[in-house]
Amino acid sequence: DVKVTQSSRYLVKRTGEKVFLECVQDMDHENMFWYRQDPGLGLRLIYFSYDVKMKEKGDIPEGYSVSREKKERFSLILESASTNQTSMYLCASTGTKQPQHFGDGTRLSIL
Amino acid sequence: KQEVTQIPAALSVPEGENLVLNCSFTDSAIYNLQWFRQDPGKGLTSLLLIQSSQREQTSGRLNASLDKSSGRSTLYIAASQPGDSATYLCAVRQLNSNSGYALNFGKGTSLLVTP
Repeated sequence: DVKVTQSSRYLVKRTGEKVFLECVQDMDHENMFWYRQDPGLGLRLIYFSYDVKMKEKGDIPEGYSVSREKKERFSLILESASTNQTSMYLCASTGTKQPQHFGDGTRLSIL
Repeated sequence: KQEVTQIPAALSVPEGENLVLNCSFTDSAIYNLQWFRQDPGKGLTSLLLIQSSQREQTSGRLNASLDKSSGRSTLYIAASQPGDSATYLCAVRQLNSNSGYALNFGKGTSLLVTP
């Protein structure tokens, strides 16, 4: 079974902090994604990566950056956390012609 | 930009009923369509993936159909059970997308199956 593991289920941080969300997949997938999910807005794409060290902006990249130093790991970085970044963050991975698989999500609260 | 709509937003049915969830999309140039289940506070679980060349996929009590030309998909759940209570999400992957393999999601149908 495909396993996408997000490092934290719940996280509480303060405004201005630098926040790291980690995601690891075990299926050797080239493609990895970070989405955020908010009530009434659904899932929105923040960043994606199609290979090691490659990254592309999604629909809402402002205030975020990413890192993909190894194929299995894709990190989302909040450079200076703000309250409007309180959300559920979901990591996903996929290969060609395969389903997209998601982690359990990180519920992040910025105080 | 692709828009994915799911109707109804919420649905409550008694246990044992067969039910249909609807998904529509505005741009028929899709690579595939995926149905997910999400339990409260959890991540997404993939239920069914339909490639653009396929008309339907089945898994157990679930059957998903795809009519690409009309921009529609349905998820049919047979003999519903309380354990089926969850939010069901439809998502499409575009052909030739600037977002690579990323998915465009509907906002989901929240299903409650009562005993």
